[in-house]
Amino acid sequence: GAVVSQHPSRVICKSGTSVKIECRSLDFQATTMFWYRQFPKQSLMLMATSNEGSKATYEQGVEKDKFLINHASLTLSTLTVTSAHPEDSSFYICSAREPATGGTQYFGPGTRLTVL
Amino acid sequence: AQKVTQAQTEISVVEKEDVTLDCVYETRDTTYYLFWYKQPPSGELVFLIRRNSFDEQNEISGRYSWNFQKSTSSFNFTITASQVVDSAVYFCALRRNMEGAQKLVFGQGTRLTINP
Repeated sequence: GAVVSQHPSRVICKSGTSVKIECRSLDFQATTMFWYRQFPKQSLMLMATSNEGSKATYEQGVEKDKFLINHASLTLSTLTVTSAHPEDSSFYICSAREPATGGTQYFGPGTRLTVL
Repeated sequence: AQKVTQAQTEISVVEKEDVTLDCVYETRDTTYYLFWYKQPPSGELVFLIRRNSFDEQNEISGRYSWNFQKSTSSFNFTITASQVVDSAVYFCALRRNMEGAQKLVFGQGTRLTINP
């Protein structure tokens, strides 16, 4: 149980375009999902907390208009990187909070974004 | 403030050796949760264990074991008879046990390489 999927796994886009990443909890309902960014050989950096039916809570220093988060259902959250630039290239990974296990976060496989 | 320290940046051992990954945490809370996650080269974080601060019993799961010492604020992870498939980055994390507290505080991770 507690499976989280993420799509796409890899995306390459041109500078200035927008990219949407989907995060789905496959076998449980998640009122809360999280979006992280990870640079090479570094730990995870929390970008925002996504709550179903309400606005996301962004961490300090994360641009809300740059990284749009939508959590429209109990099993799906999306992260849209708007007007992507090369400095947005990174590994983005989502997690979903599973209530049945005391709120343990289960992670998706991640999305490797490369902006040319 | 919450903090997790994984002082070992990289560890390299030969297969079948035992290896211990250290995790030291800081918190002023009396109750909290501790976690270990494994991140293999594929990128996905795999949940390994969650420990409530009330439960100081050590846990064993196959070749994996965890030693929780509240007195020293440590939650160390030991792999017995290591295998090449254990090669990954391992993260220790802390979460507050409070209403609404959902964020994970991650350590910097320990890169473990098991050589054949």
